[in-house]
Amino acid sequence: GAVVSQHPSRVICKSGTSVKIECRSLDFQATTMFWYRQFPKKSLMLMATSNEGSKATYEQGVEKDKFLINHASLTLSTLTVTSAHPEDSSFYICSAKGTSGRGETQYFGPGTRLLVL
Amino acid sequence: AQTVTQSQPEMSVQEAETVTLSCTYDTSESDYYLFWYKQPPSRQMILVIRQEAYKQQNATENRFSVNFQKAAKSFSLKISDSQLGDAAMYFCAYSYRGGSEKLVFGKGTKLTVNP
Repeated sequence: GAVVSQHPSRVICKSGTSVKIECRSLDFQATTMFWYRQFPKKSLMLMATSNEGSKATYEQGVEKDKFLINHASLTLSTLTVTSAHPEDSSFYICSAKGTSGRGETQYFGPGTRLLVL
Repeated sequence: AQTVTQSQPEMSVQEAETVTLSCTYDTSESDYYLFWYKQPPSRQMILVIRQEAYKQQNATENRFSVNFQKAAKSFSLKISDSQLGDAAMYFCAYSYRGGSEKLVFGKGTKLTVNP
């Protein structure tokens, strides 16, 4: 139980294009999902908190017009990187808050590697 | 603001031995959660263990156990009978119980298991 999927797992795009990443909770409903960014050999940096049916809450320093987040249903959140540039290349990870036999916690997707050329 | 500190960038252990990873945190809250997550080379984050701050009993999950010292704001992870598959980055994380419960991560400890 508590499986989270991400699609695509890897994407390469040209500078200036937009890229959409999907995050799905497969076997539970998640009213709250989170988006993280991770640079090589670094920790996870929270970008934003996504709540179903409402606007996302962005962390300080994260451009909300560049990283568009939509949480349209209880099982799906999307992150769109608009007008991507090489500095946006990174590993993006989503998580969903859910409950299992181990209590309420965050379950993570497998991540999406974005490379902007 | 809450912070999580992992003072050991790298650790190594012999297979079948025991290793302890350190974590300290800073918060003014009294009700919160603490976690250890494992990130193997696949980069999939895996929950290792979870501790609720109001529980005095230390959490255990098979070979993994924690030493939770609330007053000292310390939350170390002990891995017993280390296995080659335990090799990974280990992240300590904190979340305040209430609101969105977003996670604050430490910088991680890279664990190497030597055969």
